Amino acid sequence: LAKTTQPISMDSYEGQEVNITCSHNNIATNDYITWYQQFPSQGPRFIIQGYKTKVTNEVASLFIPADRKSSTLSLPRVSLSDTAVYYCLLDPSGAGSYQLTFGKGTKLSVIP
Amino acid sequence: EAGVTQFPSHSVIEKGQTVTLRCDPISGHDNLYWYRRVMGKEIKFLLHFVKESKQDESGMPNNRFLAERTGGTYSTLKVQPAELEDSGVYFCASSDRGLGYGYTFGSGTRLTVV
Repeated sequence: LAKTTQPISMDSYEGQEVNITCSHNNIATNDYITWYQQFPSQGPRFIIQGYKTKVTNEVASLFIPADRKSSTLSLPRVSLSDTAVYYCLLDPSGAGSYQLTFGKGTKLSVIP
Repeated sequence: EAGVTQFPSHSVIEKGQTVTLRCDPISGHDNLYWYRRVMGKEIKFLLHFVKESKQDESGMPNNRFLAERTGGTYSTLKVQPAELEDSGVYFCASSDRGLGYGYTFGSGTRLTVV
């Protein structure tokens, strides 16, 4: 049973803002919402993590509503190099578990 | 800071042979994880080390897989004997469990069993 649900694919033009929404209706109290990026022939790369409200770093922003049943990864002004698979995960380490459960992710294609 | 290093990057072996994959985590990271993606499937958890101790090996598929982390530094994952269904990409990751920083993954070892 998938812990998270996200679109299989998205297309965007260069320079646009991209928002990828993830559903996690059964999120546990101790779960942290985490996003990873993966390029072909590479391992997943950590992007951002949050528990509630909004988190921003130099790469992306993460928006989490009060009920935490969904989250949105926002990538500002994407470039061709942002073409990758993006995974939304629930990190259960707050509850003492360290297993990350990967789904199929969202394949983002950035078009010139 | 050096990242997580995995060796070899590719390995092709015959069914029934033995293969050993190696992972060098980021220096100072006590937590080390193995994951794998078999063809067409999602990335799945295999096991988790804290220093040299196996904290969770619930994802190991069967007893043909043996993971070790002697001295709490690098780790090896041995598959003996290899079967066709073991083909896939094996990822290693490490972390110091600081929330907000996630795991650092290596580039993976692509294993092909023929």
